[in-house]
Amino acid sequence: EIVLTQSPGTLSLSPGERATLSCRASQSVSSSYLAWYQQTPGQAPRLLIYGASSRATGIPDRFSGSGSGTDFTLTISRLEPEDFAVYYCQQYGSSPWTFGQGTKVEIK
Amino acid sequence: QLQLQESGPGLVKPSETLSLTCTVSGDSISSGSYYWGWIRQSPGKGLEWIGSIYYSRNTYYNPSLKSRVSISIDTSKNQFSLKLISVTAADTAVYYCGRHRRLAADGKLGWFDPWGQGTLVTVSS
Repeated sequence: EIVLTQSPGTLSLSPGERATLSCRASQSVSSSYLAWYQQTPGQAPRLLIYGASSRATGIPDRFSGSGSGTDFTLTISRLEPEDFAVYYCQQYGSSPWTFGQGTKVEIK
Repeated sequence: QLQLQESGPGLVKPSETLSLTCTVSGDSISSGSYYWGWIRQSPGKGLEWIGSIYYSRNTYYNPSLKSRVSISIDTSKNQFSLKLISVTAADTAVYYCGRHRRLAADGKLGWFDPWGQGTLVTVSS
């Protein structure tokens, strides 16, 4: 099973700042089969990115994903108030499909 | 607009069976491009994929739960269901259903989109 480790655990930033979130896999994720989700309190996760860098429908272009192999990054170019949430990565390169433990982006 | 809605008991006794149903609206569950999956979220284990089913009844299960899990599908009702037997307190979690993308390139399964709102299931006597 591929273990995903996200860092940092918590990111304290101000609106308008840039957020950089990391997701590291215990082994190479084939074909960059990695997705990112956003979860706000009391809500289900929402798909942001799939295929490491493709934005899902309706996702603003301030969200971008990059990476390959074992190292992946989610970048939020300028934080909006609604972006303060928890972010998860998920790999689908091999079964069982697994998730990272999450990075919380909080208001500084 | 596709929507998924979980339903079922919020409280289950230890050693009993957890049963949940996901009702899909806005699209046919028989769509060939998707599987339909269950994911749970607990403070201790985070997000954990449980299993996924195709309209043909082909299933994939997480090996960590495979001995206790069964997922079924009812295309006439546009629903799919989860059964988890012999539950313990460790099975307490928010359970989500979600549409599980089947990748056109290689037939593998991919990301989950959208998700249902989730339902909290507590295992306690």
